[in-house]
Amino acid sequence: DQQVKQNSPSLSVQEGRISILNCDYTNSMFDYFLWYKKYPAEGPTFLISISSIKDKNEDGRFTVFLNKSAKHLSLHIVPSQPGDSAVYFCAASAIIQGAQKLVFGQGTRLTINP
Amino acid sequence: DAGVTQSPTHLIKTRGQHVTLRCSPISGHKSVSWYQQVLGQGPQFIFQYYEKEERGRGNFPDRFSARQFPNYSSELNVNALLLGDSALYLCASSSYRAMNTEAFFGQGTRLTVV
Repeated sequence: DQQVKQNSPSLSVQEGRISILNCDYTNSMFDYFLWYKKYPAEGPTFLISISSIKDKNEDGRFTVFLNKSAKHLSLHIVPSQPGDSAVYFCAASAIIQGAQKLVFGQGTRLTINP
Repeated sequence: DAGVTQSPTHLIKTRGQHVTLRCSPISGHKSVSWYQQVLGQGPQFIFQYYEKEERGRGNFPDRFSARQFPNYSSELNVNALLLGDSALYLCASSSYRAMNTEAFFGQGTRLTVV
């Protein structure tokens, strides 16, 4: 049962343009949503999070939007830079079966072309 | 300040053997969680420990066990290794029991079972 889904395995964007990464979830109990970036041979690096009671959170070039009615969130990166090329994971936080845990999507590989 | 450190970074084991992976959280962080990431998928929750007690476990067999020490470092043990246990094992630490706002990951241990 995949509770968090990232339906696009890859995305290619021109440098300087906007990158939009999408994520869908099914469990209404999720109370926070997080985005992580991962380079090869490294652990995931936290980017930005949003509470389920908000619909937008912005940090520099990164903005996360949450649409609770659609159970959908997106990460916008503006402007995109070559260093943004990485795998991006969406994660949702909730108490599930007694544990406070993060449930991750499958990831989207973002490639920024010069 | 040191981030989350994991050891070893890589190891190769034979089917049926036992393995111990180690994690040191960020100083002051009392919550440690373990995740397994197989190729092409997002990390999957294995265990969470907070204040040296197990707070929850994911859908993993009893061959997987863990513990947290008084200094909040943690070990993940896997017995009777199977080929399917080959994965990147990630440790995450946070300053609160809830991993809502952000969790910091180590670089991971790449386990290969042959």
